[in-house]
Amino acid sequence: GENVEQHPSTLSVQEGDSAVIKCTYSDSASNYFPWYKQELGKRPQLIIDIRSNVGEKKDQRIAVTLNKTAKHFSLHITETQPEDSAVYFCAATNFGNEKLTFGTGTRLTIIP
Amino acid sequence: NAGVTQTPKFQVLKTGQSMTLQCAQDMNHNSMYWYRQDPGMGLRLIYYSASEGTTDKGEVPNGYNVSRLNKREFSLRLESAAPSQTSVYFCASRGGGPDTQYFGPGTRLTVL
Repeated sequence: GENVEQHPSTLSVQEGDSAVIKCTYSDSASNYFPWYKQELGKRPQLIIDIRSNVGEKKDQRIAVTLNKTAKHFSLHITETQPEDSAVYFCAATNFGNEKLTFGTGTRLTIIP
Repeated sequence: NAGVTQTPKFQVLKTGQSMTLQCAQDMNHNSMYWYRQDPGMGLRLIYYSASEGTTDKGEVPNGYNVSRLNKREFSLRLESAAPSQTSVYFCASRGGGPDTQYFGPGTRLTVL
């Protein structure tokens, strides 16, 4: 089955700086890669996703890049703000697979 | 449109007691999921249901049972609770197409 590794487990950045979280996956058949944000005491919520037919996707201050050859994908947050502080989870699956495989999460702290 | 709802929000059980966690979705999704979330371990799949009338084991099914009551509702039952089942439980649902899972608000369960 799929295995997803996520690094780092914790990350602290100064407000206004950029943050990068990286994930690797094992199953070359995976073709859908969502990222979830979980604020303290709240539910995970989808913030961005990417399919394997594109290499990069942006949505305002967040972007995701995908390298299918190396089997890794990354979340980039620019101009970080205090409200970006949360736990971020990456995940991987392929279309038609009922299950998502999640990484173990990254706790991002933005330092004012 | 409430999305995915869960009851109860909090529960304290004694070892050996039983209880059922309820989940409902109003998005007409076919697939529903139960996860548990423990510190440092991300989201682990307990059971899932790809459609009404079907259920399948996930990564950590031992000690749990599920029922897909109808298309809207998917319940998780602990027959004899153990302290190792202390966790936050999330229900999720997924429609077809983009494979995004939507999470409920969670149930925080403590087993003494």
